[in-house]
Amino acid sequence: GQNIDQPTEMTATEGAIVQINCTYQTSGFNGLFWYQQHAGEAPTFLSYNVLDGLEEKGRFSSFLSRSKGYSYLLLKELQMKDSASYLCAVRANNQAGTALIFGKGTTLSVSS
Amino acid sequence: DTEVTQTPKHLVMGMTNKKSLKCEQHMGHRAMYWYKQKAKKPPELMFVYSYEKLSINESVPSRFSPECPNSSLLNLHLHALQPEDSALYLCASSDGQGRGGNTIYFGEGSWLTVV
Repeated sequence: GQNIDQPTEMTATEGAIVQINCTYQTSGFNGLFWYQQHAGEAPTFLSYNVLDGLEEKGRFSSFLSRSKGYSYLLLKELQMKDSASYLCAVRANNQAGTALIFGKGTTLSVSS
Repeated sequence: DTEVTQTPKHLVMGMTNKKSLKCEQHMGHRAMYWYKQKAKKPPELMFVYSYEKLSINESVPSRFSPECPNSSLLNLHLHALQPEDSALYLCASSDGQGRGGNTIYFGEGSWLTVV
């Protein structure tokens, strides 16, 4: 089976830095994704990690440790528009095929 | 072009109706997915097609019937749905399976209301 855990809610202020953690247990691991989803919209791809380490993309960075089953998404210089749900998703291979399984999402609220 | 196009954007149907959701991508992706998302919940995987063949069916009720006419198109046929099936239905695609670096792109979704 697969299990993906991330905090339900987080709050932060404009200009701050926030780290959203994700832990997972899965077989056939083949990559970890972070998506951003605003209310009423589809998920938007943010980052992808398949090897250990940090991937940086502008204000967003994502880290992966496969041995610990752990990832985080780091958001810097927070803006009001960053208020959204952040979904950690694990891609896993099994005999049937490959699928992307989502965690429950972290709702981030950014205040001024 | 990293676009996955879904139609219709909104659909209201009765419990006795037959309707279809459509998804199209022209990125040459060989894997396509249907997800269902209820309010304030994460997307839940329904079906995966790989190279136009159904590879994963997550025990979805038979009132949902997927179809992949060709490598660019994915349909979801709906029949005798229940009000609890009302949700956002998301289509996604990726470049093959089991290979690293393959981002999965989502369409904007189809909002389905069953009355």
